Amino acid sequence: ETGVTQTPRHLVMGMTNKKSLKCEQHLGHNAMYWYKQSAKKPLELMFVYNFKEQTENNSVPSRFSPECPNSSHLFLHLHTLQPEDSALYLCASSLGRVYNEQFFGPGTRLTVL
Amino acid sequence: AQTVTQSQPEMSVQEAETVTLSCTYDTSESDYYLFWYKQPPSRQMILVIRQEAYKQQNATENRFSVNFQKAAKSFSLKISDSQLGDAAMYFCAYMNSGGYQKVTFGIGTKLQVIP
Repeated sequence: ETGVTQTPRHLVMGMTNKKSLKCEQHLGHNAMYWYKQSAKKPLELMFVYNFKEQTENNSVPSRFSPECPNSSHLFLHLHTLQPEDSALYLCASSLGRVYNEQFFGPGTRLTVL
Repeated sequence: AQTVTQSQPEMSVQEAETVTLSCTYDTSESDYYLFWYKQPPSRQMILVIRQEAYKQQNATENRFSVNFQKAAKSFSLKISDSQLGDAAMYFCAYMNSGGYQKVTFGIGTKLQVIP
């Protein structure tokens, strides 16, 4: 596979469930990101990882827990979510800490019942 | 905090015609980057064009060009010879030069291309 992949593409979960989103990049990048995309709202940056270290947490509730075991993989662990957390979750990657183009995955469409 | 405003929720253009999407931003910084991203329906978001604030020359990528007005804090995207494949959501975005990848996005403009 090439580029940035995300699994699953669609996820429906109850508020008491625990699930995880997975992102993998095949580009040799060292920075990875989680974004939340909701209708009628700007894309919201959630977390940034550089060389597996979290360098940005944009005041995200603790029910979202990221994990970055290596520069190629990024997870978002979900637990006790709320219906307002329903959104498209996008993963992205880039090369380096200074500006470089961010490459996005296709996203996971999350619905919380 | 920086903000990015896209005042056109939806736009339409006839195939082969030209359309301009508007974007304004607010910042107190002098050095920064601006971007236009394209997100086709059910497809991945991709970078269309970027502009470094210190460059006076407007960026151009094939049929896509920008009109960067730094004093007015305006960054519009012009699409020439519109094609059906240009139909998508277009997002304007901003990043400080030392922002360590913190990109601020607008809410997007949905572009429809009419055959």
